Amino acid sequence: DSGVTQTPKHLITATGQRVTLRCSPRSGDLSVYWYQQSLDQGLQFLIQYYNGEERAKGNILERFSAQQFPDLHSELNLSSLELGDSALYFCASSVASGIGELFFGEGSRLTVL
Amino acid sequence: QKEVEQDPGPLSVPEGAIVSLNCTYSNSAFQYFMWYRQYSRKGPELLMYTYSSGNKEDGRFTAQVDKSSKYISLFIRDSQPSDSATYLCAIDHTNAGKSTFGDGTTLTVKP
Repeated sequence: DSGVTQTPKHLITATGQRVTLRCSPRSGDLSVYWYQQSLDQGLQFLIQYYNGEERAKGNILERFSAQQFPDLHSELNLSSLELGDSALYFCASSVASGIGELFFGEGSRLTVL
Repeated sequence: QKEVEQDPGPLSVPEGAIVSLNCTYSNSAFQYFMWYRQYSRKGPELLMYTYSSGNKEDGRFTAQVDKSSKYISLFIRDSQPSDSATYLCAIDHTNAGKSTFGDGTTLTVKP
């Protein structure tokens, strides 16, 4: 158990809908990262927050947004969903910002029908 | 060109074999090199972490970094069926704000 909690574990929804994925980092970790893992594209970095502030951004679509709250949990919002958004979405946390060991949650599997 | 390229696999070996997993990278600014293991339906977990050229051993696992060639490897000795997983290389540099991952190599160790 990495100490990172993600909910929901599984989500099935329709095209055009909006979903929110939630992540609670390990106790004491200030950085939260979101990654997308699909079969044909590996583990793709989406966005990183450190203590509530956005620190780094990857190839995150404009339809996607995220935030980190004062209690350090984070949410990833995916809107106007398309079939191609079906993937595993991982949250990871770390003590420092941007480098060092990442502790991953078990992921949220999103299926868009 | 991807910043990190990983030998795609899949790889299937008999129990007890030596396994070699490899990645190359393009950005010489990368300073920190990691290997993660991901079991099916689970999140990746860190196996090895190093920041210098050379070898680092941890039990049956050896991480090798050659910064001059921008090449990293993970060797698994005496492979076991429990080593069957996807192995991901990951590389950081201080100003990147993130780890850049290879696409992973899926390893199956057959009893």
